[in-house]
Amino acid sequence: KAGVTQTPRYLIKTRGQQVTLSCSPISGHRSVSWYQQTPGQGLQFLFEYFSETQRNKGNFPGRFSGRQFSNSRSEMNVSTLELGDSALYLCASSLAANYGYTFGSGTRLTVV
Amino acid sequence: GDSVTQMEGPVTLSEEAFLTINCTYTATGYPSLFWYVQYPGEGLQLLLKATKADDKGSNKGFEATYRKETTSFHLEKGSVQVSDSAVYFCALSTSNTGNQFYFGTGTSLTVIP
Repeated sequence: KAGVTQTPRYLIKTRGQQVTLSCSPISGHRSVSWYQQTPGQGLQFLFEYFSETQRNKGNFPGRFSGRQFSNSRSEMNVSTLELGDSALYLCASSLAANYGYTFGSGTRLTVV
Repeated sequence: GDSVTQMEGPVTLSEEAFLTINCTYTATGYPSLFWYVQYPGEGLQLLLKATKADDKGSNKGFEATYRKETTSFHLEKGSVQVSDSAVYFCALSTSNTGNQFYFGTGTSLTVIP
């Protein structure tokens, strides 16, 4: 079966712009989570969506937002980009907590 | 709160050496425990998991046992290969907080021929 698909794979944006990243989970997975990965901070939890509702949220500013659609596909949006937002953004889907995540390959965002 | 503490890296081993990467956790409730592996330029892949105390997860020669008494989930492999070079993450999840996973900081492993 198809894995978690993230688009685009690479993105270069300018400070102050906004960006939208997309994630298509594994079919049947209703939980979608987003993580930011940087060399300095490691993996940091952004938020989790389940059945179109945000169920958990990490400690990120309001510039980071997300949503989930009725087909479980999810998007995350970052407004007013800063240089420090440069990172690998990973999406993961899951059936349930004890099944583990399946991660996508990530979107590499570079802010210049 | 829930957290995972993972052995600092980087770790460099010769091919066929024995590998141990330590992982301890703090959790309320009864967590499930996981090891993930990340190869360069890729996302994380689930390596193995254990969902209750004394369970042993295993995959591709890697093993880890869920030790509740020591709150540990150490990753081991008897004979590493160059292809095992990657970053390894220990993680836990509890159903108390939806599907939020707590990850360790990752341990970079390099295996030299």
